Amino acid sequence: NAGVTQTPKFQVLKTGQSMTLQCAQDMNHEYMSWYRQDPGMGLRLIHYSVGAGITDQGEVPNGYNVSRSTTEDFPLRLLSAAPSQTSVYFCASSPGGGDEKLFFGSGTQLSVL
Amino acid sequence: QKEVEQDPGPLSVPEGAIVSLNCTYSNSAFQYFMWYRQYSRKGPELLMYTYSSGNKEDGRFTAQVDKSSKYISLFIRDSQPSDSATYLCAMCRPNDYKLSFGAGTTVTVRA
Repeated sequence: NAGVTQTPKFQVLKTGQSMTLQCAQDMNHEYMSWYRQDPGMGLRLIHYSVGAGITDQGEVPNGYNVSRSTTEDFPLRLLSAAPSQTSVYFCASSPGGGDEKLFFGSGTQLSVL
Repeated sequence: QKEVEQDPGPLSVPEGAIVSLNCTYSNSAFQYFMWYRQYSRKGPELLMYTYSSGNKEDGRFTAQVDKSSKYISLFIRDSQPSDSATYLCAMCRPNDYKLSFGAGTTVTVRA
């Protein structure tokens, strides 16, 4: 059972480039979300989805786009990378149905030069 | 002011000591409280999960919630070097999967 899988683990971008961070879960969880983690800031919610075809914004959504075409996958797109998006990104999933426990992937370290 | 405040640390303790970690929060609607452990360069993993006020014990770990004071704590007894990690508190409202996290406290247990 792989849980939540994120790729890539590391990425370096130049300002203005676009890219997609991949996230997949094999636990049949309805709820999926993306967080970014910055020193002293804790984890901040970027976007989330309560099921296939449904997405919504979190605390810091600007500059990011998401879609949820299947239960398993929840990719995060950076439209035009900026140095302020240098961070560690975590994807997480939850069973839903009143069970709020989040299960996290191992993260993507992103540097934007 | 942040919705969740966590003692910043870092904490350095000798092996066998009791570690005490704390968070305060401002949103009285929070009902579910969690502690996550995060090793360096890894994703957070759920350590403790509690509902409303009270205590919950799991092995060497005890989580306490005091909703009247909007204060939660995690105690680690007989701490081990393997407990060296960053500990994050998190909380949410019922049926709301958008967790609010503390900034984390880094703990080092010295052998």
